Amino acid sequence: EPEVTQTPSHQVTQMGQEVILRCVPISNHLYFYWYRQILGQKVEFLVSFYNNEISEKSEIFDDQFSVERPDGSNFTLKIRSTKLEDSAMYFCASSATPDTEAFFGQGTRLTVV
Amino acid sequence: QKEVEQDPGPLSVPEGAIVSLNCTYSNSAFQYFMWYRQYSRKGPELLMYTYSSGNKEDGRFTAQVDKSSKYISLFIRDSQPSDSATYLCAMMRDTGRRALTFGSGTRLQVQP
Repeated sequence: EPEVTQTPSHQVTQMGQEVILRCVPISNHLYFYWYRQILGQKVEFLVSFYNNEISEKSEIFDDQFSVERPDGSNFTLKIRSTKLEDSAMYFCASSATPDTEAFFGQGTRLTVV
Repeated sequence: QKEVEQDPGPLSVPEGAIVSLNCTYSNSAFQYFMWYRQYSRKGPELLMYTYSSGNKEDGRFTAQVDKSSKYISLFIRDSQPSDSATYLCAMMRDTGRRALTFGSGTRLQVQP
């Protein structure tokens, strides 16, 4: 069964460092998303991406964040200068169309120390 | 008022019980409704996806949508210990902002 894969599963970084979280969406999907979940809180939308550009973004997705599809398979989230409050699970998701269900990866647990 | 409200639980039931999980929402722009299951420290796993009001059944799971009351439900029949997880409702508008809005999740524990 096709699935969204994310790497690494856990990343520890020092405050102020840049991190790149990687995702391989389901191969025939065209819409890609990043969500985050701070421990004990609800899943929150960060950004959606289609046709090599951002479709929409939340207020969380500020100038410290960027997304990229560097090749035909990977989708990345970069945080330029991490803060303690960026510690969370980051989930990548993909869907075939904007109206169909989104499938989530297993997440990357980011810990900023 | 929160856009999506979901009782956090925990909800504890004996094995074999029928479980009812619910969400209410305030924004009538939500037209697509999903239920996800999330095990601890794992990604949300899609269980059900519905668009119209009414019922949708898939195995032991039934999703119910009442748009007039802004109320959605997930029923689990013959619950199993392996159903123990957090259940998230999620919703999406049909125009404009298409991102999923999640409820806070209900933690379910099925006792053997």
